[in-house]
Amino acid sequence: KAGVTQTPRYLIKTRGQQVTLSCSPISGHRSVSWYQQTPGQGLQFLFEYFSETQRNKGNFPGRFSGRQFSNSRSEMNVSTLELGDSALYLCASRVRPGGYNEQFFGPGTRLTVL
Amino acid sequence: TQLLEQSPQFLSIQEGENLTVYCNSSSVFSSLQWYRQEPGEGPVLLVTVVTGGEVKKLKRLTFQFGDARKDSSLHITAAQPGDTGLYLCAGTRQETSGSRLTFGEGTQLTVNP
Repeated sequence: KAGVTQTPRYLIKTRGQQVTLSCSPISGHRSVSWYQQTPGQGLQFLFEYFSETQRNKGNFPGRFSGRQFSNSRSEMNVSTLELGDSALYLCASRVRPGGYNEQFFGPGTRLTVL
Repeated sequence: TQLLEQSPQFLSIQEGENLTVYCNSSSVFSSLQWYRQEPGEGPVLLVTVVTGGEVKKLKRLTFQFGDARKDSSLHITAAQPGDTGLYLCAGTRQETSGSRLTFGEGTQLTVNP
């Protein structure tokens, strides 16, 4: 079974631009979560989507948004990029919310903001 | 302030040595997981513990969940260079709006041949 895939793997943007990252979950997984990983803050939860609905949201500004499509694929968008948004953005999928919360991560998208 | 405190943050040891990584919190978790992450990749799930006092073994790795479900440890016996990586603990607390995974800052382990 194919794992979680994320595109693109690497991205370079400049301040003020916006960016869209894509995530395809494992087949049969309907829940997708997004995390930001930086050296200083570690892995921080952004949001979780299930059945095209945002189920949970972390403490990030409104510039960070996401959505989920009917095939469970998810996108996250960051508008008005800031230097501090440079990070590894990880997507994780699981069958559904709840349970033991075992999540399977993709390889991430490395975003660099110049 | 990190909800989950991991220690040590960095560990460099020789092949064959034993080591223990700790994950501590003042909060109670319904479940706790350990992941390993290698450069350029996402975290890979190693184990999930859910019962206070639970011990799980995965080859040379032993995971323990504290009795009060506030802390956990990972012990590696006879470490090998292939064990090198970032070890992350992550806990789940049930919230009214659903559950979220909270990560510790990680322990960067280097095993030298």
